Amino acid sequence: QSVLTQPPSASGTPGQRVTISCSGSSSNIGSNYVYWYQQLPGTAPKLVIHRNNQRPSGVPDRFSGSKSGTSASLAISGLRSEDEADYYCAAWDDSLSGPWVFGGGTKLTVL
Amino acid sequence: EVQLLESGGGLVQPGGSLRLSCAASGFTFPSYAMSWVRQAPGKGLEWVSGISGPGGSTYYADSVKGRFTISRDNSKNTLYLQMSSLRAEDTAVYFCAINNGILVVPAAPIEYWGQGTLVTVSS
Repeated sequence: QSVLTQPPSASGTPGQRVTISCSGSSSNIGSNYVYWYQQLPGTAPKLVIHRNNQRPSGVPDRFSGSKSGTSASLAISGLRSEDEADYYCAAWDDSLSGPWVFGGGTKLTVL
Repeated sequence: EVQLLESGGGLVQPGGSLRLSCAASGFTFPSYAMSWVRQAPGKGLEWVSGISGPGGSTYYADSVKGRFTISRDNSKNTLYLQMSSLRAEDTAVYFCAINNGILVVPAAPIEYWGQGTLVTVSS
């Protein structure tokens, strides 16, 4: 059971806009930044959104993030086949001694 | 170019021990906190442990506290994870990762990951 809650799956067709949600609590998302990672099959995760809505250099502007209260979302517009991957949200949790927590991951399928 | 090369994974019996290493290059190793994150087969990511750049502060997930020890040798640009009293549920790919800052703090997330090393705990 992950501290942050994500839907296990999401899907869309090429060109569509999809959104992946991440739900937490006041001790994590409610009081700290949210980060999003993309994990392509068989590879290491890659940071695609930091500090709720900032894109690292090299990440396409099709990727965007938002946060409201104790929830966050990752949106991917203009969906492409290479976006098919697992996506994880992460945040610092003030109430835990092992402070970084992840969501359970969302498998994005491009139909 | 930033490189993280994990090693030391393998098959170990329940109750056994294993030490993972992560050789870092391409960045100023002592200036960055580091983390270990694991991923059980077909499962999600779980943060395991973190250590500050100088090595003076360490953090552990409750699931490994008292069994795992994180350390670093800044003279060798190497991160370690000593794992003992291993259990079947510790079976996972273990990733070495760079935090975006010298301390383990909320504003210093994991920014870059190695390719991982597989640890299998089984009799």
